[in-house]
Amino acid sequence: NAGVTQTPKFQVLKTGQSMTLQCAQDMNHEYMSWYRQDPGMGLRLIHYSVGAGITDQGEVPNGYNVSRSTTEDFPLRLLSAAPSQTSVYFCASTLQGSYNSPLHFGNGTRLTVT
Amino acid sequence: AQTVTQSQPEMSVQEAETVTLSCTYDTSESDYYLFWYKQPPSRQMILVIRQEAYKQQNATENRFSVNFQKAAKSFSLKISDSQLGDAAMYFCAYDMEYGNKLVFGAGTILRVKS
Repeated sequence: NAGVTQTPKFQVLKTGQSMTLQCAQDMNHEYMSWYRQDPGMGLRLIHYSVGAGITDQGEVPNGYNVSRSTTEDFPLRLLSAAPSQTSVYFCASTLQGSYNSPLHFGNGTRLTVT
Repeated sequence: AQTVTQSQPEMSVQEAETVTLSCTYDTSESDYYLFWYKQPPSRQMILVIRQEAYKQQNATENRFSVNFQKAAKSFSLKISDSQLGDAAMYFCAYDMEYGNKLVFGAGTILRVKS
């Protein structure tokens, strides 16, 4: 059982480049979300989804796009990378919301934008 | 908006001793969930303990227990018989009832001395 799988583990981008962070889960979880982790700020919610075809913004959505075409996948797109997006990104999933089941995290992607 | 504050950027504890990590939060909701997550150097996010706000009884998981003071909006984590493997960053987090949008504190680095 793979759980939540994020790829790549590390990435370096130049300012203005675009890329997609991949996230897949094999637990048939309805809820998926993306967080970024920055020193001294903890984790902050970027975007989340409560099911296929449904996405919504979190606390820090600017500069990021998401889509949820299948239950399993929830990619995060950076359209034009900026140095301020240098961070560690975590994807997470839960069956019905954290009130009922714990959040499962991927192992993170460390992104550096130069 | 809900906020979570961890006032201790770093703590140290001697092996086999007890340490308490502090967390306060701000919310106008009456029903919500509180969590402590552990992040070792591997970057993996591991759920340590979970507390439902409607339960007066403090949650306990083996050597980990919480002191939940709802009126004071305080949620501290006590680690008993500290072990070297407890060394990690610890995050306090809040989620609304039926939510899937965790709000994290900035984290506390716990160092365990042998």
